[in-house]
Amino acid sequence: EDQVTQSPEALRLQEGESSSLNCSYTVSGLRGLFWYRQDPGKGPEFLFTLYSAGEEKEKERLKATLTKKESFLHITAPKPEDSATYLCAVQVGSTLGRLYFGRGTQLTVWP
Amino acid sequence: DARVTQTPRHKVTEMGQEVTMRCQPILGHNTVFWYRQTMMQGLELLAYFRNRAPLDDSGMPKDRFSAEMPDATLATLKIQPSEPRDSAVYFCASGLEGKPQHFGDGTRLSIL
Repeated sequence: EDQVTQSPEALRLQEGESSSLNCSYTVSGLRGLFWYRQDPGKGPEFLFTLYSAGEEKEKERLKATLTKKESFLHITAPKPEDSATYLCAVQVGSTLGRLYFGRGTQLTVWP
Repeated sequence: DARVTQTPRHKVTEMGQEVTMRCQPILGHNTVFWYRQTMMQGLELLAYFRNRAPLDDSGMPKDRFSAEMPDATLATLKIQPSEPRDSAVYFCASGLEGKPQHFGDGTRLSIL
């Protein structure tokens, strides 16, 4: 069975304290790995897509990387506005575009 | 920026009542997804459509849930009869094959 596991479940960082979120997956035929950000009361907002091991994507203080078994979302010098739940999802080749989501990491950045 | 629009944003109703949730996908997107999010289960796929045709509804309780796309600008998710365990946030997302899905802000459903 395809699985996506995110860790930690929750992370508290002081402003400026860099860290990483992990998404590990066990799927057959990965087509893409997606990172989303979700704010309270809102739908998930797309951040990145990674397609192959070794690929990296950056956006402001966020950098996503991908290996054959996991992805990391690195947050450099976070600010309080980076506080959100970060969701990871995988798309598998045989499933006509559907995504399998992890449970998310709830990030809190305090001043 | 184009957005997925969901209505209503909030719905409170009594057990046994019919609930209809609506979704307007982003113009030009040919794939529409319905998800349910709860604290216990996280984000679960209920059903999805491509070019208005249902591709997979295996995530839905068949006896009470139904999903349709009457036209390319409207997707609906109905629950009849509703039960307290259906309380959750229901999200609609749309996209193009091979492209990221874009989500609406959800319908927060409470069944009393």
